[in-house]
Amino acid sequence: SQKIEQNSEALNIQEGKTATLTCNYTNYSPAYLQWYRQDPGRGPVFLLLIRENEKEKRKERLKVTFDTTLKQSLFHITASQPADSATYLCALGSDYKLSFGAGTTVTVRA
Amino acid sequence: EADIYQTPRYLVIGTGKKITLECSQTMGHDKMYWYQQDPGMELHLIHYSYGVNSTEKGDLSSESTVSRIRTEHFPLTLESARPSHTSQYLCASSARRGTEAFFGQGTRLTVV
Repeated sequence: SQKIEQNSEALNIQEGKTATLTCNYTNYSPAYLQWYRQDPGRGPVFLLLIRENEKEKRKERLKVTFDTTLKQSLFHITASQPADSATYLCALGSDYKLSFGAGTTVTVRA
Repeated sequence: EADIYQTPRYLVIGTGKKITLECSQTMGHDKMYWYQQDPGMELHLIHYSYGVNSTEKGDLSSESTVSRIRTEHFPLTLESARPSHTSQYLCASSARRGTEAFFGQGTRLTVV
């Protein structure tokens, strides 16, 4: 069956450091992969999209890589700030469906 | 701010009642989705639609039903609510395959 796995443990990092989150998938051939941020009690908010023929995408302090051979995406938050504290979700898209991983909770300490 | 709206935000209802959760978007998006999320847990896709008169079941089996008669409207109905239906329900839409999804604020449903 299809499976999307993210870092199971929460990530606690010091302000200014880089947070690196992992998204692995099996039995999928996604056309694209997305990353979202979710704050408690709110709906997810889109951050970045990367397509199957792209290796890397950047947006401000965010960077995402996509390796379709390894079936893995890495999400980096550089120069992290306390305001970056949230749960980060990866989502895989194919056809008309968009399926999410369980998310990784990041806490940035001042 | 995304133009996708869910009502009500909170609903407490008795067992056996029929309920409809509303979701509307003003962006003209063809793709719409319903997700179920328990507190601190992952989102589960329960229904999706790729256009008017199309609805499909998602990854998680659900006793709810949906309809898509108009592009902008994608309501979710529970014919007979049970305590096991207590959860947060999130509606989302996207313009087309491979574009970002916009989420509503969610409906937190409690069945007592």
